[in-house]
Amino acid sequence: ETGVTQSPTHLIKTRGQQVTLRCSSQSGHNTVSWYQQALGQGPQFIFQYYREEENGRGNFPPRFSGLQFPNYSSELNVNALELDDSALYLCASSLPGQGNTEAFFGQGTRLTVV
Amino acid sequence: LAKTTQPISMDSYEGQEVNITCSHNNIATNDYITWYQQFPSQGPRFIIQGYKTKVTNEVASLFIPADRKSSTLSLPRVSLSDTAVYYCLVGGRNNNAGNMLTFGGGTRLMVKP
Repeated sequence: ETGVTQSPTHLIKTRGQQVTLRCSSQSGHNTVSWYQQALGQGPQFIFQYYREEENGRGNFPPRFSGLQFPNYSSELNVNALELDDSALYLCASSLPGQGNTEAFFGQGTRLTVV
Repeated sequence: LAKTTQPISMDSYEGQEVNITCSHNNIATNDYITWYQQFPSQGPRFIIQGYKTKVTNEVASLFIPADRKSSTLSLPRVSLSDTAVYYCLVGGRNNNAGNMLTFGGGTRLMVKP
């Protein structure tokens, strides 16, 4: 148990719809990152939030957006869903610090787009 | 970001020591080397992190040669429950906030009875 919780655990959406995924970070962690993991591949960095602002972004289109709240929980929003968006979406919380590469991942949300 | 190369898969037997080597030829001076473990349908789990020489914790050891262009994760006496995907990551120097981790394809370790 990492203390990072994600909801929902599974979700089925139709192409073109919008989806919101949620993440509660581990207590005291003010940084939340989101990753997309396609079947059989490693997780790919989507973006990171630090103190309620986007702090970095991977190679994902603008229809992937997010929020971080004052309690450090976070949302990932995906608009205009495409079939290729089907994946496991992982949230990770961490503490800031040079050289700190330890992140705590949640169990993920399995999104299926049909 | 430094690219990593590691074996796609490895097989082992219970009780054996497993060594997974990762190459990272263009590692930067301030980059750290980190290994994560991932079980099916779960998020990755931090195993160990190092900068140079050898690091050991209760789970594994990490060996890093002087040139830092490779690293080896050593798992002593593996059990069936160590069957997982193991990821080698390089980075960590740009973190004014948290971690932006770059995962490769990982090594699928299968431990057999």
